[in-house]
Amino acid sequence: GQNIDQPTEMTATEGAIVQINCTYQTSGFNGLFWYQQHAGEAPTFLSYNVLDGLEEKGRFSSFLSRSKGYSYLLLKELQMKDSASYLCAAMDSNYQLIWGAGTKLIIKP
Amino acid sequence: GAVVSQHPSWVICKSGTSVKIECRSLDFQATTMFWYRQFPKQSLMLMATSNEGSKATYEQGVEKDKFLINHASLTLSTLTVTSAHPEDSSFYICSARRGDGSPSDTEAFFGQGTRLTVV
Repeated sequence: GQNIDQPTEMTATEGAIVQINCTYQTSGFNGLFWYQQHAGEAPTFLSYNVLDGLEEKGRFSSFLSRSKGYSYLLLKELQMKDSASYLCAAMDSNYQLIWGAGTKLIIKP
Repeated sequence: GAVVSQHPSWVICKSGTSVKIECRSLDFQATTMFWYRQFPKQSLMLMATSNEGSKATYEQGVEKDKFLINHASLTLSTLTVTSAHPEDSSFYICSARRGDGSPSDTEAFFGQGTRLTVV
């Protein structure tokens, strides 16, 4: 079956770095997405990886290893506004997004 | 670019009535639109996928007659919750994809979401 695993909750300190891991199993693969979702709001796009390696975009970076079915989202210089849920989603061979349950990130001062 | 507008943002309705939620792609043509529901502290659950001009494909367990989806044009899809009950109270989110083979084609753009409360 198709499955996405990511930690339920993580806590980090303002100004620090945090890495949110995601493992996936899908029927075919057409890329891995990371979305940020604040409570009561729709998800907003953060990154898309389809090739192995690290994609850097400002304070956020995303890594993909297709052979391991593994991705991570790296957040640097954490700010209080980064407190949110981070959703990992893999696109299968039918271009359907398979969603993880999300990782709630709590930032402490 | 790539803005998806969802309306209304929130709605309260009486049990037994129907509610229509609109999802519009404002600056692009969306070949495919997706409808999700999300319960508190849970991830998105795909309800159905709609392609312009054809019938929606519903996920297992989603009642077609209860959640009516219409994708009549390349910029508008609607979800109608018929005979709503309190258990239908949820956060409903639409997303749209261009489907034109452009570099951003695989990205899904989300609407703001609609919080439905059935009383």
